[in-house]
Amino acid sequence: KNQVEQSPQSLIILEGKNCTLQCNYTVSPFSNLRWYKQDTGRGPVSLTIMTFSENTKSNGRYTATLDADTKQSSLHITASQLSDSASYICVVSARGNNRLAFGKGNQVVVIP
Amino acid sequence: DGGITQSPKYLFRKEGQNVTLSCEQNLNHDAMYWYRQDPGQGLRLIYYSQIVNDFQKGDIAEGYSVSREKKESFPLTVTSAQKNPTAFYLCATTPGQKISSSYEQYFGPGTRLTVT
Repeated sequence: KNQVEQSPQSLIILEGKNCTLQCNYTVSPFSNLRWYKQDTGRGPVSLTIMTFSENTKSNGRYTATLDADTKQSSLHITASQLSDSASYICVVSARGNNRLAFGKGNQVVVIP
Repeated sequence: DGGITQSPKYLFRKEGQNVTLSCEQNLNHDAMYWYRQDPGQGLRLIYYSQIVNDFQKGDIAEGYSVSREKKESFPLTVTSAQKNPTAFYLCATTPGQKISSSYEQYFGPGTRLTVT
């Protein structure tokens, strides 16, 4: 069973609109949670990294939230642009484990 | 120009042939990783190396081999024993040896391998 579940699997949004992507995880004991953006055919690029004590972190128009109690995170994209079309991957790290648990990604398509 | 280089970007091989994917970094990072990405799936760890001349198997190491003779280089060989080698392969690095810390993980541009 995947330890990181993302929803929705894919979505289409109009340019200029906002959207929120969800990530639920079961990884324990929790160390940190990362969001990556991956353009088609390219390597992922880090957007945010959050530890247990952080419940929100922003990177430009991207804002990630973390609720470590409910083991949920969200990534909010504000005023979407065509360049936001990509897969957004949620990644969770466990303390003492040299592995990362990857979600399957949220595929976002921004249309004009 | 600092970063991670993977070459080639596209690679085509016949079934039964071994093929080596290159990964080079000039970030002076300690740890290097190889992941495989298939459509609709999360990244899966093949091998990782925390220091030179040492590496560990990841979750799907069967059919793959690696070496870490230099800090800058971590080549991956896809052998004929790998049943489904066609995939997108990503190399990554972290400054520290522990991935569970908050070290940023940096990814290369990837190599798409197609085996027919």
